[in-house]
Amino acid sequence: EPEVTQTPSHQVTQMGQEVILRCVPISNHLYFYWYRQILGQKVEFLVSFYNNEISEKSEIFDDQFSVERPDGSNFTLKIRSTKLEDSAMYFCASSENEGADTQYFGPGTRLTVL
Amino acid sequence: GQNIDQPTEMTATEGAIVQINCTYQTSGFNGLFWYQQHAGEAPTFLSYNVLDGLEEKGRFSSFLSRSKGYSYLLLKELQMKDSASYLCASHGVRGSTLGRLYFGRGTQLTVWP
Repeated sequence: EPEVTQTPSHQVTQMGQEVILRCVPISNHLYFYWYRQILGQKVEFLVSFYNNEISEKSEIFDDQFSVERPDGSNFTLKIRSTKLEDSAMYFCASSENEGADTQYFGPGTRLTVL
Repeated sequence: GQNIDQPTEMTATEGAIVQINCTYQTSGFNGLFWYQQHAGEAPTFLSYNVLDGLEEKGRFSSFLSRSKGYSYLLLKELQMKDSASYLCASHGVRGSTLGRLYFGRGTQLTVWP
């Protein structure tokens, strides 16, 4: 069964450094998402992406964040100048269609900022 | 905005039935999802309701009442492996928020032998 994959599974970085989290969505899916979950808190939407541009972003997704689809398979989240409060689990998700379609989540990248 | 409420914790015994409730207050509505999340893992899709009524899928069923802003997830014949957090999530209104999911805090279910 096709699945969303993410790398790395764990990322430790120093405050102020840049990180790139990578995702490979399900191959026939057209809509891509990033969510984050701070330990013990709820899953929060960051951004949605379709047709090589951002569809929507939340108030969390400020200038520190950017997304890119550099080729036909990868979808990346870049966090510039990381802060301690960026420590969280970051989930990539994809869906075949937008709207009421089911979003399938990847296993996540645990980001720890020291 | 979106506000989704569900109980923080529930416990049940193996073989029992448990119902996890979710209430939502949204500026619009376009469907309600239930996901299962084991500790340290990704949310896994369980069910989706957009119309009123009960959707049954094996041991799991989900119910929706749009007029009451209410849903529940029913788990039958509980197994130890069902111990997990169950997340209620709703879609946004039509337009730019269509794909965005709003999650509740999750209900941590513990199944005892």
